Amino acid sequence: AQSVTQLGSHVSVSEGALVLLRCNYSSSVPPYLFWYVQYPNQGLQLLLKYTSAATLVKGINGFEAEFKKSETSFHLTKPSAHMSDAAEYFCAVTTGSGNTGKLIFGQGTTLQVKP
Amino acid sequence: DTGVSQDPRHKITKRGQNVTFRCDPISEHNRLYWYRQTLGQGPEFLTYFQNEAQLEKSRLLSDRFSAERPKGSFSTLEIQRTEQGDSAMYLCASAVMDGYTFGSGTRLTVV
Repeated sequence: AQSVTQLGSHVSVSEGALVLLRCNYSSSVPPYLFWYVQYPNQGLQLLLKYTSAATLVKGINGFEAEFKKSETSFHLTKPSAHMSDAAEYFCAVTTGSGNTGKLIFGQGTTLQVKP
Repeated sequence: DTGVSQDPRHKITKRGQNVTFRCDPISEHNRLYWYRQTLGQGPEFLTYFQNEAQLEKSRLLSDRFSAERPKGSFSTLEIQRTEQGDSAMYLCASAVMDGYTFGSGTRLTVV
């Protein structure tokens, strides 16, 4: 069965600093992996997705993530944090059916950006 | 098409009442999903439709919950005899080959 673990429920960085949000997955089949962002009282917005092509995936708003099979990881990074990046971030894996199968989400990581 | 639309955005109801939420997906999307998100947690899968057929239901979906998608277009999620534990954000998403689009959700508060 597929699962996702996000390490660290809260991450705080200074504006301009590196952002690193950690995600480890478990999957019995080659996974499709996603990062979503959620602002208060909003739905989920896709940042990026890994669908077995390039292992380094670039997304919106300067975010990127690297798929590392040996480490079963898909960590999200951004070189320089902006105040507008403060939000909740979710890592997710699909269960079969390509990249539109049922999503299994991690618990989420709240990113705080300090001025 | 402006994306996935959910109605209402917020619902406050008394315990024991029935509530119904609506989701209008992107018109060419044949898959439709419902998720529930409680405070401080990631969304959890409830059920999904391929066109009008409900293909999977989570164990989370008790007998008090029912979902429909008549004619493979909009979908409704009904909760009967609401309980305080039903308080959550209910998210709808539609999907086609390229991936998911989520709606903004319906926040349910049971008092």
